[in-house]
Amino acid sequence: ILNVEQSPQSLHVQEGDSTNFTCSFPSSNFYALHWYRWETAKSPEALFVMTLNGDEKKKGRISATLNTKEGYSYLYIKGSQPEDSATYLCAFIKGTGFQKLVFGTGTRLLVSP
Amino acid sequence: DVKVTQSSRYLVKRTGEKVFLECVQDMDHENMFWYRQDPGLGLRLIYFSYDVKMKEKGDIPEGYSVSREKKERFSLILESASTNQTSMYLCASSLIQGADEKLFFGSGTQLSVL
Repeated sequence: ILNVEQSPQSLHVQEGDSTNFTCSFPSSNFYALHWYRWETAKSPEALFVMTLNGDEKKKGRISATLNTKEGYSYLYIKGSQPEDSATYLCAFIKGTGFQKLVFGTGTRLLVSP
Repeated sequence: DVKVTQSSRYLVKRTGEKVFLECVQDMDHENMFWYRQDPGLGLRLIYFSYDVKMKEKGDIPEGYSVSREKKERFSLILESASTNQTSMYLCASSLIQGADEKLFFGSGTQLSVL
């Protein structure tokens, strides 16, 4: 993998469903992985910044895991609510440590009541 | 809370015009960034700045320039706007250099070049 890939591109779930998305990135020379949530007409907002293999982070009903050896991160949402509807972006930084993030195209989540 | 403010939400300009997109952050952040978002593509970095009067090219700097005369303000300049610069432009800032520092984004400027 040369770039950051996110799957699925879009997802439509019912309120109360749990869901997860994948972010794949180059496993060599890893430095950090960021997750952002971008609601329509608002600013992207940071969810998690992950740097260590095996990292697990949680914020309310949202959690993320990181596997740097195989180059993927999962984002989980437990009991989805309509307010979780947004595009979820992941971004990868390699090597230098400076903040040149490479973003994926995002997963667009729609949660219906 | 950190606030990153972009001067316009929507902007319509004509081909060949010089366009200024302004971004101001209110938390004394060192780093500032300009990205563009196009359908089917991830956010792409145009330019960034890690200090006043310092700038570095990102991945797609062609057709753009930037200015950072004050720490809180980072301007993106389209010297001669073209239709392929129609896009959503996002400004971001972060406190210090470091890959574990999260970015704070503005709400974006949707630029249409006719």
